[in-house]
Amino acid sequence: AQSVTQPDIHITVSEGASLELRCNYSYGATPYLFWYVQSPGQGLQLLLKYFSGDTLVQGIKGFEAEFKRSQSSFNLRKPSVHWSDAAEYFCAVGMYSGGGADGLTFGKGTHLIIQP
Amino acid sequence: EAGVTQSPTHLIKTRGQQATLRCSPISGHTSVYWYQQALGLGLQFLLWYDEGEERNRGNFPPRFSGRQFPNYSSELNVNALELEDSALYLCASSLGTGGAYEKLFFGSGTQLSVL
Repeated sequence: AQSVTQPDIHITVSEGASLELRCNYSYGATPYLFWYVQSPGQGLQLLLKYFSGDTLVQGIKGFEAEFKRSQSSFNLRKPSVHWSDAAEYFCAVGMYSGGGADGLTFGKGTHLIIQP
Repeated sequence: EAGVTQSPTHLIKTRGQQATLRCSPISGHTSVYWYQQALGLGLQFLLWYDEGEERNRGNFPPRFSGRQFPNYSSELNVNALELEDSALYLCASSLGTGGAYEKLFFGSGTQLSVL
């Protein structure tokens, strides 16, 4: 069965500093990988996704993620964080089932705190 | 364009009661997904509806059920509420079963509290 691990429950970063959120997955084939962000009181918003091709994917809000098959990782990065980036971040992995997103497995999330 | 809307925002029930949560997808979207987000557990897949049919359900007991109406809106019903059902219930919609993963659009959720 597929699984997603986000090792860091909380991360604190100073405003303007760089950010890396870790995500490791377990899946037998090439997975579909996603990063979502959840701001307080809001639903989830898709930041970026990886299906195939270039292993470095660009997303919205200045985020990027790199797929590393050898490490089973899909870490999210941002060169300089803003206070508005404070939120909960979820990594998700899915398998192609010929259907919809029912196969998405989410990690438990990383809570990002931005220090002034 | 309106996003995914969920109602009510908050719902307080007592053990044994029934809860009904509602979701209106983005116009043109035919697929609706329900997720449970319990504290510390991340998002757990509950149900997937498309074109009025239940396509798949997650590992939840039968007292979690729902339906999708002809206008593609959806209801999630939770019967015989238990304390551990307290969670944020998120609805998401997408264009439908395109044969590949599609972008999910999430609502802001219904916070269900069971006392």
